[in-house]
Amino acid sequence: GEDVEQSLFLSVREGDSSVINCTYTDSSSTYLYWYKQEPGAGLQLLTYIFSNMDMKQDQRLTVLLNKKDKHLSLRIADTQTGDSAIYFCAEKPKGGATNKLIFGTGTLLAVQP
Amino acid sequence: ETGVTQSPTHLIKTRGQQVTLRCSSQSGHNTVSWYQQALGQGPQFIFQYYREEENGRGNFPPRFSGLQFPNYSSELNVNALELDDSALYLCASSPHQETQYFGPGTRLLVL
Repeated sequence: GEDVEQSLFLSVREGDSSVINCTYTDSSSTYLYWYKQEPGAGLQLLTYIFSNMDMKQDQRLTVLLNKKDKHLSLRIADTQTGDSAIYFCAEKPKGGATNKLIFGTGTLLAVQP
Repeated sequence: ETGVTQSPTHLIKTRGQQVTLRCSSQSGHNTVSWYQQALGQGPQFIFQYYREEENGRGNFPPRFSGLQFPNYSSELNVNALELDDSALYLCASSPHQETQYFGPGTRLLVL
């Protein structure tokens, strides 16, 4: 089946690191994504990782993929108040519609000054 | 800035009415997808279009339909609106299979 789960809420202090976690069920997923959504806005693509990779780093963002446990995480270094938003994990299943993404319910990240 | 625009930004309709939402994507983005995001939920895949034909559909009834035009614009049409259709509707376009870029969405309220 296709299911993506995330914790609902994370609160951190400005300057600390944030780690947002995600689990998925489809072992044939080809790509996994992190999107950011600010209030009243659409989705901003933050980063993505191909399923045969373990880690990807992009400036303050580090994505870790544990394919055996079907676990994906997003680490944000030196978290800023502007990082406050909802973060969505998404997987692209193999087969079917080429651009169909399965999203989690989102993690609300609150950054305290 | 993703280069994907949507109109209108907000819309109010009543049950039973029909609605058309519009999306314009970047030149060269041949695939467009539509998603429904209910309040407090993640986006749900409705369908996608490639070269003006529907080539993938999620778990949505036939009263959700779409069109894609040669100028990289597309439409989502919803007939016989129901209260549960109230949501943020997102359009996403893709230059290739790896990435999708989302527009700001249209917020639909059905009364």
